[in-house]
Amino acid sequence: GQQLNQSPQSMFIQEGEDVSMNCTSSSIFNTWLWYKQDPGEGPVLLIALYKAGELTSNGRLTAQFGITRKDSFLNISASIPSDVGIYFCAGQLLGGAQKLVFGQGTRLTINP
Amino acid sequence: EPEVTQTPSHQVTQMGQEVILRCVPISNHLYFYWYRQILGQKVEFLVSFYNNEISEKSEIFDDQFSVERPDGSNFTLKIRSTKLEDSAMYFCASSEEGQSTYGYTFGSGTRLTVV
Repeated sequence: GQQLNQSPQSMFIQEGEDVSMNCTSSSIFNTWLWYKQDPGEGPVLLIALYKAGELTSNGRLTAQFGITRKDSFLNISASIPSDVGIYFCAGQLLGGAQKLVFGQGTRLTINP
Repeated sequence: EPEVTQTPSHQVTQMGQEVILRCVPISNHLYFYWYRQILGQKVEFLVSFYNNEISEKSEIFDDQFSVERPDGSNFTLKIRSTKLEDSAMYFCASSEEGQSTYGYTFGSGTRLTVV
């Protein structure tokens, strides 16, 4: 089936450091979304990407949709304690239905 | 900000029992979804629902699962005879349009524990 490969699986950083994570796939995606999930909560949308090559920011977060529509990265600058959580990429396949395909997640831990 | 609400937040059930998970999607959304997340794993698509019928379902969504929109506001997931491996977080989501581009919003989930 369709797969999104997300890396790294986990990150341990110091407060104030920048963070980068990415997702790749062999499939072409129509839309790419980045979500954050806190323990016991549902995914919360951070950034949505619609066009190949699109670079979008949301505060300290920046994400880009790869030119081939098969990959994306998410950067977090100047991390703060509330950035702790699990970050998921999710994509809607080109020509597909409404479902989202999720990556395996990146668990971010921040040392104060 | 509009929310997708799910009840209960946690349900414990015995193996073989039926459970119904409930969701109230955002009122002007037209597409409704159920996803599942086994502890420590990624979120997996179960089913999408539009115009009072299933539009797509995954291989996880077998004959033990069913969905219903019994009235204008609720959207339910029923598991007829629960198995231990059905233990997971179940998330409801809704969106304004067929594309996930706009307002694809998730609820906080129901944690189902099958014992």
